[in-house]
Amino acid sequence: DGGITQSPKYLFRKEGQNVTLSCEQNLNHDAMYWYRQDPGQGLRLIYYSQIVNDFQKGDIAEGYSVSREKKESFPLTVTSAQKNPTAFYLCASSIKGTSGFTDTQYFGPGTRLTVL
Amino acid sequence: AQTVTQSQPEMSVQEAETVTLSCTYDTSESDYYLFWYKQPPSRQMILVIRQEAYKQQNATENRFSVNFQKAAKSFSLKISDSQLGDAAMYFCAYRSARLVTSGSRLTFGEGTQLTVNP
Repeated sequence: DGGITQSPKYLFRKEGQNVTLSCEQNLNHDAMYWYRQDPGQGLRLIYYSQIVNDFQKGDIAEGYSVSREKKESFPLTVTSAQKNPTAFYLCASSIKGTSGFTDTQYFGPGTRLTVL
Repeated sequence: AQTVTQSQPEMSVQEAETVTLSCTYDTSESDYYLFWYKQPPSRQMILVIRQEAYKQQNATENRFSVNFQKAAKSFSLKISDSQLGDAAMYFCAYRSARLVTSGSRLTFGEGTQLTVNP
């Protein structure tokens, strides 16, 4: 089946540890995104990538890092520098269109990260 | 920077009735796209409906329709014949049409939690 997968579904981390969240898509989408969701708030953009080996910071990139070595994969690392990492993390992807709705974003099922 | 505001943190509706969720946004751009996403308890974000700002005609998708008022910067979602499965958090989102600088990034509102009563 075509889609976006995120793993793990739940992740627990001790303070001071780095953790990596996985996001994979087999939709042949060019662009991929990472969002963070906190209770009572909308989604906030962490990083996005429009093409392999290139990515840009979003609104809340501090304490996070990403890589885009393959078109289908966009892992997110939550580093120890992220002061409040407990949140729900959503990955999305889209076709890199030039106009219109060709680049509507579609989302994965998310990863719940809890810092112990 | 663009902002999106959803002034109703919670709404409720009786099954089979109609409900309208509000969304306003602030932008200096003339060309953009607006979306409504639904997030059920599974937390999977699902696209409900979308609107291109240059189109005057309001978008419709089955029981879902929007009231797009560009001058007022308003983008409300109407759900007709509400069903129990419509219960979810609904997010309004904005995307600039300027892909080179924005990279298709979405700006989300804070969401409206919709309860459907049987």
